[in-house]
Amino acid sequence: SQQGEEDPQALSIQEGENATMNCSYKTSINNLQWYRQNSGRGLVHLILIRSNEREKHSGRLRVTLDTSKKSSSLLITASRAADTASYFCATVTSGGSYIPTFGRGTSLIVHP
Amino acid sequence: NAGVTQTPKFQVLKTGQSMTLQCAQDMNHNSMYWYRQDPGMGLRLIYYSASEGTTDKGEVPNGYNVSRLNKREFSLRLESAAPSQTSVYFCASSEFQGTETQYFGPGTRLLVL
Repeated sequence: SQQGEEDPQALSIQEGENATMNCSYKTSINNLQWYRQNSGRGLVHLILIRSNEREKHSGRLRVTLDTSKKSSSLLITASRAADTASYFCATVTSGGSYIPTFGRGTSLIVHP
Repeated sequence: NAGVTQTPKFQVLKTGQSMTLQCAQDMNHNSMYWYRQDPGMGLRLIYYSASEGTTDKGEVPNGYNVSRLNKREFSLRLESAAPSQTSVYFCASSEFQGTETQYFGPGTRLLVL
């Protein structure tokens, strides 16, 4: 069963705009990870945020975590056509097997 | 480094046929995983191997078996394929179970007729 659920399911924007996608989860987490999947390819790890962190940056990526609301957001600034992909959040729950559980993903299309 | 490799890339089976999906990693990782990805369902864990010599069931193990052949290789076997097993299968590895980053292979697309 999915622990994390991304929202929206699909997002279409123009190049240069910012893209924001959200992930909500149900039980306490140890960490939350974001992955990208280009069409027909495997997943690539983007960023990890731990339960005691509130915000992390990596290049044009900004991830926030609100444990009180059990939610996270991924912001991609100044998006490019090459950012077109599906984005998945994966949660690692506390006290479990410590294997990430993936959501259904957000499909992002960036129009040139 | 090739990372995580999977063979074959694509396979068509008839119902009842068997096949083995191969996965290998060259990163000296201890833990390996098999996932399936279906439209609208995200990734679901089939089996995992926390370390060489151990395997455990994930969320959707029915109809599958696995073998951790050595530290590098982790295979997934379908003994009697069913149309419900039509999916894209991904192998992944990580340094240890639960460590931060999983590295994924390119996937095997399986169609069961």
